[in-house]
Amino acid sequence: DQQVKQNSPSLSVQEGRISILNCDYTNSMFDYFLWYKKYPAEGPTFLISISSIKDKNEDGRFTVFLNKSAKHLSLHIVPSQPGDSAVYFCAASGNTGGFKTIFGAGTRLFVKA
Amino acid sequence: DTAVSQTPKYLVTQMGNDKSIKCEQNLGHDTMYWYKQDSKKFLKIMFSYNNKELIINETVPNRFSPKSPDKAHLNLHINSLELGDSAVYFCASSQGVGQRSGGYTFGSGTRLTVV
Repeated sequence: DQQVKQNSPSLSVQEGRISILNCDYTNSMFDYFLWYKKYPAEGPTFLISISSIKDKNEDGRFTVFLNKSAKHLSLHIVPSQPGDSAVYFCAASGNTGGFKTIFGAGTRLFVKA
Repeated sequence: DTAVSQTPKYLVTQMGNDKSIKCEQNLGHDTMYWYKQDSKKFLKIMFSYNNKELIINETVPNRFSPKSPDKAHLNLHINSLELGDSAVYFCASSQGVGQRSGGYTFGSGTRLTVV
């Protein structure tokens, strides 16, 4: 039962353009959503989060949008840089069995120079 | 100075052996976690401890036993290792229970290979 889904296993983008990574969720009890970035042989690194009471949160080149009615969130990276090439995990947290955090399977982003 | 450190980074062992993975955090966080990343790349919660108290215990075989001697350490002991236990195991920590605005801090992972 995948409560957090990232349907695109990979995405390729040209340097300087926008990268859009998508995530869908099924559990309406989630009240925080987070994005993590992961390089090979390293642990995931927290990138940005959004509360369910907001629809947008911005931090530098990274913006997360939340559409609660559609149970969908997206991460926008503008402009994309080669150093952004990594696996991006979407995660959701809420008062579901002890505030467990559920992760998606990840999307591998390739930013071409 | 690594915030969440796991040892060992790589572990290759035979079926049936018992092994331990250690985790330490120097962030002063009060909650620690073990996650398993399987072959399909999903990160799945296994256990969570808050101030040395077990608060999340997912459906994990009882061959897996976590131990938290203090809030800065969370170790994972695995008995009678099986081929299906091969995965990358991540330790993480947070201040407070669950993820809120700040997220978790993860270790770099332990790649366990059972042969």
